[in-house]
Amino acid sequence: DAGVTQSPTHLIKTRGQQVTLRCSPKSGHDTVSWYQQALGQGPQFIFQYYEEEERQRGNFPDRFSGHQFPNYSSELNVNALLLGDSALYLCASSYTGEQYFGPGTRLTVT
Amino acid sequence: KNQVEQSPQSLIILEGKNCTLQCNYTVSPFSNLRWYKQDTGRGPVSLTIMTFSENTKSNGRYTATLDADTKQSSLHITASQLSDSASYICVVSGDNNNDMRFGAGTRLTVKP
Repeated sequence: DAGVTQSPTHLIKTRGQQVTLRCSPKSGHDTVSWYQQALGQGPQFIFQYYEEEERQRGNFPDRFSGHQFPNYSSELNVNALLLGDSALYLCASSYTGEQYFGPGTRLTVT
Repeated sequence: KNQVEQSPQSLIILEGKNCTLQCNYTVSPFSNLRWYKQDTGRGPVSLTIMTFSENTKSNGRYTATLDADTKQSSLHITASQLSDSASYICVVSGDNNNDMRFGAGTRLTVKP
């Protein structure tokens, strides 16, 4: 079991650009949550996907959007990147219980 | 205001020593409390999970305690090792298990 995987590992983008991050959940998991973690801070909840629908959303602007595919994998899209979007983006998957986190994608916006 | 407060923000100890990390929360209603270990640049890994009725939970050299009356939890690390250097994050869930509130973490450095 590969656990939760995320790609890419690192990414450097320029202000104003758009980015797509990808997540494959742990085998048997149907729910995917995305978090943003700034340096030295705890993760902040962005949104959660279940059955290809956004089920819950945190306090993030509409520039942050997502998608879940029939195989339960998920994408996080961020438009019009700002310097403040630089962070570690974590994906977590679950099936009615414990969330398992992926290794994260480190996004740097210059 | 964050509903989960951790202290200290950072801690440096010598290898072999014990330490205790604190977590205070105001999340209500309360479902469970988790402690995660997060290595730099990696995703958090669960150490312990406790429900309302549990006072203590151990995982090897890690022992977590919970006082649901005072809304406080601690994570005690015994005989620290260099590999214990990481951030330790306290996460409290409300009634909805998906509603997880994260603390900012305690950054632990173990020195030889």
